Amino acid sequence: GDSVTQMEGPVTLSEEAFLTINCTYTATGYPSLFWYVQYPGEGLQLLLKATKADDKGSNKGFEATYRKETTSFHLEKGSVQVSDSAVYFCALSIRGAQKLVFGQGTRLTINP
Amino acid sequence: ETGVTQTPRHLVMGMTNKKSLKCEQHLGHNAMYWYKQSAKKPLELMFVYSLEERVENNSVPSRFSPECPNSSHLFLHLHTLQPEDSALYLCASSQDPSGRSSYEQYFGPGTRLTVT
Repeated sequence: GDSVTQMEGPVTLSEEAFLTINCTYTATGYPSLFWYVQYPGEGLQLLLKATKADDKGSNKGFEATYRKETTSFHLEKGSVQVSDSAVYFCALSIRGAQKLVFGQGTRLTINP
Repeated sequence: ETGVTQTPRHLVMGMTNKKSLKCEQHLGHNAMYWYKQSAKKPLELMFVYSLEERVENNSVPSRFSPECPNSSHLFLHLHTLQPEDSALYLCASSQDPSGRSSYEQYFGPGTRLTVT
């Protein structure tokens, strides 16, 4: 079946450090890929997306590239801030299917 | 502004109570979802409604009863819950995929439910 695997957390970094959160997927069709972020006490917010191979999604300094050959969609940011502390979820959807498949989430803490 | 609102934001109820969670989306979408988010567990999809018809029910106990009166509103009726039902309940909406959209979902802020 379709699945998403994220790197285990929690991840703790210092401000201005480089961030990578790994995400790999297994899918039977041609999925769209997403990163969602959940700040404390809030729901999930769509951070970025990519709908086909080699697409790069970007938002708020975060980037992720849809790599079909490695079935990956790793999230990166060049210089993190304390305000980036949150839980990050990688997800996929198959065109025509009516649901998202989520990874387990990665908790990120940025220290000043 | 996510365009999806949920009320109440917090709810404490006893095991014999009956309560309802409400979700409203202002995005013109026609599919809506209920998720359960428990501590240290993956996000669990509970129900999916598309064009006001329930299209998925993931083995959810009957003490949870969804209702979708129109494409903008979704309810989750609760009765005789158990303490292990305490969780964050998230509502989401999206466009019904017809092969044309990239199918992202937009989430509300959630209702934090505590069952005592």
